[in-house]
Order: sequence, then structure tokens, then C-alpha cells
Amino acid sequence: EPEVTQTPSHQVTQMGQEVILRCVPISNHLYFYWYRQILGQKVEFLVSFYNNEISEKSEIFDDQFSVERPDGSNFTLKIRSTKLEDSAMYFCASSDQGSGYEQYFGPGTRLTVT
Amino acid sequence: GQQVMQIPQYQHVQEGEDFTTYCNSSTTLSNIQWYKQRPGGHPVFLIQLVKSGEVKKQKRLTFQFGEAKKNSSLHITATQTTDVGTYFCAGSLHDKVIFGPGTSLSVIP
Repeated sequence: EPEVTQTPSHQVTQMGQEVILRCVPISNHLYFYWYRQILGQKVEFLVSFYNNEISEKSEIFDDQFSVERPDGSNFTLKIRSTKLEDSAMYFCASSDQGSGYEQYFGPGTRLTVT
Repeated sequence: GQQVMQIPQYQHVQEGEDFTTYCNSSTTLSNIQWYKQRPGGHPVFLIQLVKSGEVKKQKRLTFQFGEAKKNSSLHITATQTTDVGTYFCAGSLHDKVIFGPGTSLSVIP
């Protein structure tokens, strides 16, 4: 069964450093998402991406965040200058029909900012 | 902004007992999805509800969408230890997806 993959599984970085989290969505999917989940809390929407542009973003997704689909397979989330409060699990998801339909989540990248 | 609430936050049940989680949105939803997240895992899609008053069943799980399309429920009959996890409802507004805070279910064998 096709699945969403994410790398790395765990990233440790120092405050102020830039990080890039990588995702490979399911190949025929057109809608891509990033979510974050602080330990023990709910899943928070960050951004949705379709047709090579951001279609929606949340208040969390400020100027420190950016997303890219640099080629036909990867979907990346960049955090320019990490803060301690960025420590969380980051999930990538993809869908073939849009936000109201089944989304397939990747296994997540645990980001630890020290 | 749109808010999605869920109750209860936690539920501990004896294996074999039933379990229900309730989801409420501050705005009318075009549809609602339910996800399950096992401890240490990622959210896994369970179902999507679209129509007002819709009821769908998956084995021991029954999902309902309210008539006003602002609330939903998930009911599990005769829980098993494999049901352990956090159940999230999620509503979408345009291309933004808002997850509820989830209900964490533990099942005592």
C-alpha cells in the first residue's frame, strides 16, 4: 500500500538554526499538508499546498515557515530560525481529493530545539 | 475563528464496555472526518461524513453527523484493547483542516 514518508525521524537543532523537514507524499496525490503536534496535545494545521502554491495557512505559519515542492516528489517544510517552542512532532499528509477527504499521514519528524 | 471541541478529554473503560466521544464545531461543516492515533503513532483516517444526519458503521464503530452539520459522534461497542488510542474529529473550512483536541481512550483488560 502506498504511504507517505518523512525524513529525518528525529531532528535535534539549536535555537536560531534553520531546519528543513522532508516529506515524500503519495505519488498521485495533489494536495499536501503540514501539521504539528506538541507532545500530548492536539494536531494543529499549519499549511495546505495545491498546484504549487499555498492554499491555506494557519496563524502558526508565520514568516519563519516556508514550504516548497522542489521537484515532482518531495515536499519540504523549512523553519528559518527555530525557537524552543517549535519543538514538536511535525506530520506531513497528502490527499488526492482535498482537505475534506481522506488524508494520509506520514510517520512524522520529531523536532527538538535546544 | 472556527473551533472544534471534543468531549471527554479522557475515557477509561473496562474491556467490553461501550465508548462514545462527541465532537462540536462552532461553525457549520461541509463534512467531518474522524482519525485515530495510537500512542507514538500518526493519525490514521477512519471515516468521512458528508450528509446531514448521516450514520455510518464500521464493524463495532458507529459514526453520526448531526442534522445541523455542527456536531458528530463516534461510538464503539464492546471495546477491545486494540481500540486504545486518541480519536480526533476534524472539520475543514476551505483548505484549512481544524482538528479537535481528541479523546484519549484507555481500555482496561
